[in-house]
Amino acid sequence: DTGVSQDPRHKITKRGQNVTFRCDPISEHNRLYWYRQTLGQGPEFLTYFQNEAQLEKSRLLSDRFSAERPKGSFSTLEIQRTEQGDSAMYLCASSPRGADTQYFGPGTRLTVL
Amino acid sequence: QQQVKQSPQSLIVQKGGIPIINCAYENTAFDYFPWYQQFPGKGPALLIAIRPDVSEKKEGRFTISFNKSAKQFSLHIMDSQPGDSATYFCAASMSAGANNLFFGTGTRLTVIP
Repeated sequence: DTGVSQDPRHKITKRGQNVTFRCDPISEHNRLYWYRQTLGQGPEFLTYFQNEAQLEKSRLLSDRFSAERPKGSFSTLEIQRTEQGDSAMYLCASSPRGADTQYFGPGTRLTVL
Repeated sequence: QQQVKQSPQSLIVQKGGIPIINCAYENTAFDYFPWYQQFPGKGPALLIAIRPDVSEKKEGRFTISFNKSAKQFSLHIMDSQPGDSATYFCAASMSAGANNLFFGTGTRLTVIP
């Protein structure tokens, strides 16, 4: 399968713990996006990478959140000192150069107890 | 502030019916309008997309109607099937900047056999 992959698919953690999610985009897609989706809502934009450069961050991305894409391939999203309000589905999407279409991964479901 | 407004919130149709989902936007800088289908526990999957220079686009049983002057667009599903039961999201993006997607709040469609 050559789609966007995300790991883990599910994560349960206790409040105050740090968590890290990984996204592997479609090969040669230079743009990568992170979104957050809460129950009953549409995905909301968090941050955007073009190659290894993080070019835009939403106001939703508090200072407890950090994202990297070290070699312009896979990306990680870390949440420090998790809060119950962080419970959501975290979605990654990638897009090829010159195209608007974004392809989404299956998401990581985070539950903070 | 919701950049893309979607209605209805839920929709129930008989098999073979034609559900219609409507979306409206305010930002005239938007120039790409995709529709995504999402099943429970899965990431959104692109169905069909349109740009403002055309008023209608068909792909299989899915049709987008676009009214640029009214800043509205809609999804029609012809000959709906029980397998179409899912949540549908409209979205919009602008080519300038991150090109991130702004999603509607979703429509939960149920097709009764």
